[in-house]
Amino acid sequence: GIQVEQSPPDLILQEGANSTLRCNFSDSVNNLQWFHQNPWGQLINLFYIPSGTKQNGRLSATTVATERYSLLYISSSQTTDSGVYFCAVGALYSGGGADGLTFGKGTHLIIQP
Amino acid sequence: EAQVTQNPRYLITVTGKKLTVTCSQNMNHEYMSWYRQDPGLGLRQIYYSMNVEVTDKGDVPEGYKVSRKEKRNFPLILESPSPNQTSLYFCASSFGGNTEAFFGQGTRLTVV
Repeated sequence: GIQVEQSPPDLILQEGANSTLRCNFSDSVNNLQWFHQNPWGQLINLFYIPSGTKQNGRLSATTVATERYSLLYISSSQTTDSGVYFCAVGALYSGGGADGLTFGKGTHLIIQP
Repeated sequence: EAQVTQNPRYLITVTGKKLTVTCSQNMNHEYMSWYRQDPGLGLRQIYYSMNVEVTDKGDVPEGYKVSRKEKRNFPLILESPSPNQTSLYFCASSFGGNTEAFFGQGTRLTVV
């Protein structure tokens, strides 16, 4: 099946700093989403971005499907940005396997005041 | 408000005692699925359903059952829970298998 790798696995920053999280995937996709898992365990939708660039406030994301990667940018970090960020992809060709999203292992982000 | 609702949020049970985790969505989505999240293993799909009465196995289906009798509901059934099913469970829904998915709040299950 498709492989999803996220980097870095851990990131500690001071409040106000900017960060870039990366998601690499091993095959063609027709779905890519970024999620934020908050300290209560809830998965919050950030972006649905199988290709192109989107922005939402201090967050933006870019997916270059032909090169099989996506980037999540967080600017002017706040302590509430802390948590785990997941990239999840849907393979264009499931090859007879399970349908749905394949998740990366996540980036654990800690924003210190 | 568009949402996916799971119940219960927290559950502690004993080995072998049948349980059901409910999932309901109000977005008229055809596609629903269940995932479990475990430390070091990430989120993995258990079962999915492409529409009413259509279900199929995901990556880790052993020990679980599902049913899809109505479009809005997709319960997860553990007929004989074991400690290795202790996990954080998520239900998700979308218009299709590869469209934007929305997740429920999660159910923390502990089997002792």
